[in-house]
Amino acid sequence: SQKIEQNSEALNIQEGKTATLTCNYTNYSPAYLQWYRQDPGRGPVFLLLIRENEKEKRKERLKVTFDTTLKQSLFHITASQPADSATYLCAPPRCSSASKIIFGSGTRLSIRP
Amino acid sequence: AAGVIQSPRHLIKEKRETATLKCYPIPRHDTVYWYQQGPGQDPQFLISFYEKMQSDKGSIPDRFSAQQFSDYHSELNMSSLELGDSALYFCASSRSTRDSYEQYFGPGTRLTVT
Repeated sequence: SQKIEQNSEALNIQEGKTATLTCNYTNYSPAYLQWYRQDPGRGPVFLLLIRENEKEKRKERLKVTFDTTLKQSLFHITASQPADSATYLCAPPRCSSASKIIFGSGTRLSIRP
Repeated sequence: AAGVIQSPRHLIKEKRETATLKCYPIPRHDTVYWYQQGPGQDPQFLISFYEKMQSDKGSIPDRFSAQQFSDYHSELNMSSLELGDSALYFCASSRSTRDSYEQYFGPGTRLTVT
């Protein structure tokens, strides 16, 4: 069955540095992968979607890469700010190209001033 | 811009009672999803509807049922509630196009079963 793993449960970064979060998947080849941000007690918020034929996607200070050989996606936040502190969820589809997604366990990112 | 609306925001029920959660998707979105998120857990997919028909089923207990109505709002019905059903329940909606898969989540309903 499909398996999604995010590199660490929690990550602490100094303000201004680049935060890098990892999402690894096994046992299938998703056609795309999404990243969401979730604040405590709130619903996830869509950030970026990257497709299997795209190496990299950017949105302001966010950058996502998708390596289908390594079966891995990296999520970067450059010039990190305390307001970036949240849980970030990797969300590929439930099977190769379905529109239904599954969430990774998330990485709780804390940016210290 | 209009967002996904969920009601109620908080609900307290006793064991073995029933609960109904409501979701109003973003206008013109044709797909609704329900998720359950326990403390410290990632959201778990329960069920989804596309154009008022059940389109996919996840880890939804047999005690739960859901439907989507003609106005596209959806209801999640939960019976014989158990303590373990205490969680945040999120509804999300999306507009199904070939190039669009992002889901828009509501604020959630926090269900507490005592």
